[in-house]
Amino acid sequence: AQSVAQPEDQVNVAEGNPLTVKCTYSVSGNPYLFWYVQYPNRGLQFLLKYITGDNLVKGSYGFEAEFNKSQTSFHLKKPSALVSDSALYFCAVRDGGSTLGRLYFGRGTQLTVWP
Amino acid sequence: EAGVTQFPSHSVIEKGQTVTLRCDPISGHDNLYWYRRVMGKEIKFLLHFVKESKQDESGMPNNRFLAERTGGTYSTLKVQPAELEDSGVYFCASSRSLTSSEQYFGPGTRLTVT
Repeated sequence: AQSVAQPEDQVNVAEGNPLTVKCTYSVSGNPYLFWYVQYPNRGLQFLLKYITGDNLVKGSYGFEAEFNKSQTSFHLKKPSALVSDSALYFCAVRDGGSTLGRLYFGRGTQLTVWP
Repeated sequence: EAGVTQFPSHSVIEKGQTVTLRCDPISGHDNLYWYRRVMGKEIKFLLHFVKESKQDESGMPNNRFLAERTGGTYSTLKVQPAELEDSGVYFCASSRSLTSSEQYFGPGTRLTVT
């Protein structure tokens, strides 16, 4: 069975500091991993994905994520946080070997960046 | 290109009433998905269309939910009769193909059943 865990409901960080939003996953086949961000009153926006290749993937707005197969993790990172990064972040996984495209999401992590 | 659109943005109905949600995917996207997020919980899959066919409807909670995608363009999700536990945000997403992988989400419909 597929599942995603985001162990932190909230992450608070000062502007200019590095940020990390954690995600661990469980999948029966090849993991396809995604990060989405939701700003207030908006839909989910795609940030980045890992399908294959380099374990460090770069995405929109300066975010990056590192795939770690042994730890089954896909943590989202940014070297220097901005107040405008404050939003709700979702990690998602699907089985890349499946013909079913459904995504499994975590519960979300609310990121707050204070000035 | 225009993104995924959903209508209405909000709906408040009484228990026992019927509500129909609409999703217009990105033009040319054969894959259309419905998801739901109940307050504070994870986003859960409901079903997946490929063109007009239901590829996977294993996430539909019960037979009060009916999804259609006539002609392989827009989709509707009808809840009849609505129950209190149906409250939540219903998201629609689309993708061009499975191999392209990322799904593009609409803004969601917030459904409140009172």
